[in-house]
Amino acid sequence: DAMVIQNPRYQVTQFGKPVTLSCSQTLNHNVMYWYQQKSSQAPKLLFHYYDKDFNNEADTPDNFQSRRPNTSFCFLDIRSPGLGDAAMYLCATSSLSQPQHFGDGTRLSIL
Amino acid sequence: QKEVEQDPGPLSVPEGAIVSLNCTYSNSAFQYFMWYRQYSRKGPELLMYTYSSGNKEDGRFTAQVDKSSKYISLFIRDSQPSDSATYLCAIRYGGATNKLIFGTGTLLAVQP
Repeated sequence: DAMVIQNPRYQVTQFGKPVTLSCSQTLNHNVMYWYQQKSSQAPKLLFHYYDKDFNNEADTPDNFQSRRPNTSFCFLDIRSPGLGDAAMYLCATSSLSQPQHFGDGTRLSIL
Repeated sequence: QKEVEQDPGPLSVPEGAIVSLNCTYSNSAFQYFMWYRQYSRKGPELLMYTYSSGNKEDGRFTAQVDKSSKYISLFIRDSQPSDSATYLCAIRYGGATNKLIFGTGTLLAVQP
């Protein structure tokens, strides 16, 4: 089945230690998104790629960056995680006229 | 005023009940409306996708959009314990980028 795959499902890192989360897709969608979701809250869009064009949301902290080396893969880099960055991180994809499809997320814990 | 408002619940119903979940929105230009279901520790899963006003039915699920009132609803008939999840309404904006605005989600528990 075509899908959006996120690895790892659970990630534990230390305060201030850089961490990278990965997302891959077999849908061949041209748009990929990263969301942050905290407990009992709606997903919050951090940024998205439209093809190779990176689009940052205005309120996304500088601590968060992303890379998209090809159509299938997208990475979320958190340069210096703080305790407030503990959350579920969701990757999603879409293409023109298609709704967003989500992966199952990576739950990030900060020690 | 938030662009999308959704009652967070929790909502608890007995098995077999009809469930009504609702959202209101503020921008009359919105045209595409979605409902996602999110189980605990999983990503959101698309349930229903509707354009403009009207109803759309898929099995036990019916999505309804009333653009005049800026009101969207999801009805679940014959609810099952497996329907227990958080239901998120979402509205598409941003043209080709398909960006979404989400409601805060309603936590539903269907009691056997």
